[in-house]
Amino acid sequence: DAGVIQSPRHEVTEMGQEVTLRCKPISGHNSLFWYRQTMMRGLELLIYFNNNVPIDDSGMPEDRFSAKMPNASFSTLKIQPSEPRDSAVYFCASSLSGEDQPQHFGDGTRLSIL
Amino acid sequence: QKEVEQNSGPLSVPEGAIASLNCTYSDRGSQSFFWYRQYSGKSPELIMFIYSNGDKEDGRFTAQLNKASQYVSLLIRDSQPSDSATYLCAVPTDTGRRALTFGSGTRLQVQP
Repeated sequence: DAGVIQSPRHEVTEMGQEVTLRCKPISGHNSLFWYRQTMMRGLELLIYFNNNVPIDDSGMPEDRFSAKMPNASFSTLKIQPSEPRDSAVYFCASSLSGEDQPQHFGDGTRLSIL
Repeated sequence: QKEVEQNSGPLSVPEGAIASLNCTYSDRGSQSFFWYRQYSGKSPELIMFIYSNGDKEDGRFTAQLNKASQYVSLLIRDSQPSDSATYLCAVPTDTGRRALTFGSGTRLQVQP
């Protein structure tokens, strides 16, 4: 079975540009998570969805960040406008719905904002 | 805000030794705990999950949970150079126990 698929793997863009990160969860998984990882702050939860509905977006840094899940097999994380401090590795993870289900991570998107 | 604390390391052990990784957490109500392994430049992968007090063994890995003292440990027996990675402890963040709060991770180096 395919795991969580993220694209692009790497993104380099200039400050002020719009960035869109994409994620395809594992088929049958009802919960989807977006994390950001930096050396300074470690792995932080940005937002998660359950059955395509955003449940907790308290980790989204500010209004420049938005996430959508239009259907069970696709989610996007958008940054507009991007800033150098947004440079990080962004991971998408998915799990079955319910308590204590293990999360499976995608390979991540390494984002560099110049 | 739940907190999960780990020593950043690096923890260096010789090949064949037991590596002991520790994690403390702030919320006494936490019920379940996860250990993830992350190789450099890769994504985290789940290696252990523990719910009950006591020990849980899976191959060379043993997770130990002590709820009274609010710590969870991961023991790696017969450590191999391929075990060299960062180990992340995580606890559920919310009452629905879906999202996770991760510790900063402990970097393990197994010396051949």
